[in-house]
Amino acid sequence: DTGVSQDPRHKITKRGQNVTFRCDPISEHNRLYWYRQTLGQGPEFLTYFQNEAQLEKSRLLSDRFSAERPKGSFSTLEIQRTEQGDSAMYLCASSYDRERLNGELFFGEGSRLTVL
Amino acid sequence: GQNIDQPTEMTATEGAIVQINCTYQTSGFNGLFWYQQHAGEAPTFLSYNVLDGLEEKGRFSSFLSRSKGYSYLLLKELQMKDSASYLCAVRGHSGGGADGLTFGKGTHLIIQP
Repeated sequence: DTGVSQDPRHKITKRGQNVTFRCDPISEHNRLYWYRQTLGQGPEFLTYFQNEAQLEKSRLLSDRFSAERPKGSFSTLEIQRTEQGDSAMYLCASSYDRERLNGELFFGEGSRLTVL
Repeated sequence: GQNIDQPTEMTATEGAIVQINCTYQTSGFNGLFWYQQHAGEAPTFLSYNVLDGLEEKGRFSSFLSRSKGYSYLLLKELQMKDSASYLCAVRGHSGGGADGLTFGKGTHLIIQP
């Protein structure tokens, strides 16, 4: 296992289209996170899964955003009716339970979305 | 909620030492992390502090004072490859998921020859 992988790495779409991003976490990790990062800012938390259960969602996650982790392994983040303000890097991260280690997050390379 | 402050940009000279400060206000505290992020790449883990004091790892050290809500990252023997953004992140009780992190905006470090 080489780490967290995300697909696609880059996506350019027109306003109003739907897009979907996929994240494959490190296989032993049961926790998975989605963050959004814009230029010059730190990552902002969007949502979090423990196994297949989505346990927390940020206020940033409007009803146009939906995330799933159907079998507790890979996750998808879908954005419907994209807006120009959705343009950002979408980062996925995974971790062990805190009790096993310090709960360090391992990040993927990100999926960069550009909405025209 | 969480509030994390760090300088936007710093400049230092190759071979020198630089200290990047971070102050935080959180609802609960379960640890502070420093991540390095090169332009266009994923953040990578540098250090973790949960108790007061200094943690040293090679050229990088991180300090924490929980009573002051303060941390710093110290980089020694600076190299050109250290030019990157340095993200301070706090694990608290809200806003980041059960063990997720709330990040500061990052400090863009520029290393000059």
